Amino acid sequence: GAGVSQSPRYKVAKRGQDVALRCDPISGHVSLFWYQQALGQGPEFLTYFQNEAQLDKSGLPSDRFFAERPEGSVSTLKIQRTQQEDSAVYLCASSPKRTRSYEQYFGPGTRLTVT
Amino acid sequence: DQQVKQNSPSLSVQEGRISILNCDYTNSMFDYFLWYKKYPAEGPTFLISISSIKDKNEDGRFTVFLNKSAKHLSLHIVPSQPGDSAVYFCAASEGVRVRGAQKLVFGQGTRLTINP
Repeated sequence: GAGVSQSPRYKVAKRGQDVALRCDPISGHVSLFWYQQALGQGPEFLTYFQNEAQLDKSGLPSDRFFAERPEGSVSTLKIQRTQQEDSAVYLCASSPKRTRSYEQYFGPGTRLTVT
Repeated sequence: DQQVKQNSPSLSVQEGRISILNCDYTNSMFDYFLWYKKYPAEGPTFLISISSIKDKNEDGRFTVFLNKSAKHLSLHIVPSQPGDSAVYFCAASEGVRVRGAQKLVFGQGTRLTINP
């Protein structure tokens, strides 16, 4: 079966533009996570969905970041008025479990460069 | 504040020898620990994990050791193979939370290079 897919793989945005990053989790996975990975660092948690419900958004760095998963499958991370510090790889991960969803399956990421 | 630390950015090991990657953590609420492996242009892939009720977990060539009193874990790879060359991330998670979100807290990663 297919793994987690993300699109686009690479995105270049001018400062101030809005961007939308898509994640297609593994079919049937109820838990979905977004992480941000800066250059030379490990991934950092942004937000978590259980089906369509966004249960934790404590890692979103500002109100310019917004995520949704309206039908409990595909998720979109939107960044408004992008800034240079938003440049990073954005990783999506899914897990088949609701609780103890430690073992997460990651997509290849979207590399966002803000110029 | 970095709750999970991997103090060695890189490690070079000869093929066939043992690779030891280290990780330290500060949050005593962490009760589950994982190692992920990452190749360039790919997402991290799960390698091995350990619950805080254990001190060792083994899977083939990979063994993870946990020392709770020292808040330290390590990953041993024996014998090391060229295909093991990758970036390795240590990650940790707190116990069962309200509504079950199990976010992972990652270290900075260690780049392992296996030399033929």
